[in-house]
Amino acid sequence: NAGVTQTPKFQVLKTGQSMTLQCAQDMNHEYMSWYRQDPGMGLRLIHYSVGAGITDQGEVPNGYNVSRSTTEDFPLRLLSAAPSQTSVYFCASRDTGFRVAFFGQGTRLTVV
Amino acid sequence: ELKVEQNPLFLSMQEGKNYTIYCNYSTTSDRLYWYRQDPGKSLESLFVLLSNGAVKQEGRLMASLDTKARLSTLHITAAVHDLSATYFCAVDNDMRFGAGTRLTVKP
Repeated sequence: NAGVTQTPKFQVLKTGQSMTLQCAQDMNHEYMSWYRQDPGMGLRLIHYSVGAGITDQGEVPNGYNVSRSTTEDFPLRLLSAAPSQTSVYFCASRDTGFRVAFFGQGTRLTVV
Repeated sequence: ELKVEQNPLFLSMQEGKNYTIYCNYSTTSDRLYWYRQDPGKSLESLFVLLSNGAVKQEGRLMASLDTKARLSTLHITAAVHDLSATYFCAVDNDMRFGAGTRLTVKP
């Protein structure tokens, strides 16, 4: 029972590079979301999806794109990385009852 | 826009003592979550509170929700070292988080 799987765990990017953070869940959850965690600021919602083909912006969407072609996968794309995007990124999934959320192990991203 | 405020942000307790962490939020919601995070780790769900007056308890932790006051509390009873962690509340369906309370329990 894998739950929510994020890859990679660590990544260093140069300013201007692009990359995709992967998130997959095996619980058939409709709702998935991406957060970033910065020191002293809790977690901030970047984008979320309520089902395949449906995505929406959260609190801090600028510089990030998402898509949801399947129920299982919800990748987060950084189009042109900036040092301000240095953070720890968490993916989460929940069922339609919006009860317990399951979080991935996080991706620690450094942009230099 | 929904704002979520936790206090205190830092809490140092002696083992065996009781304390309460507060979570205030700015707009109407009847759905509140509490999470625990250990250093360098992911988040672990503690409680989901789904209605006014909801109270849930697990071991030394008890959470409550007052939707009229827009307030949730996480009460710690007879703290032990293993409770040292950062505790977050999150509000509403899309889970907007507070800044977290870093709890340290000292012998």
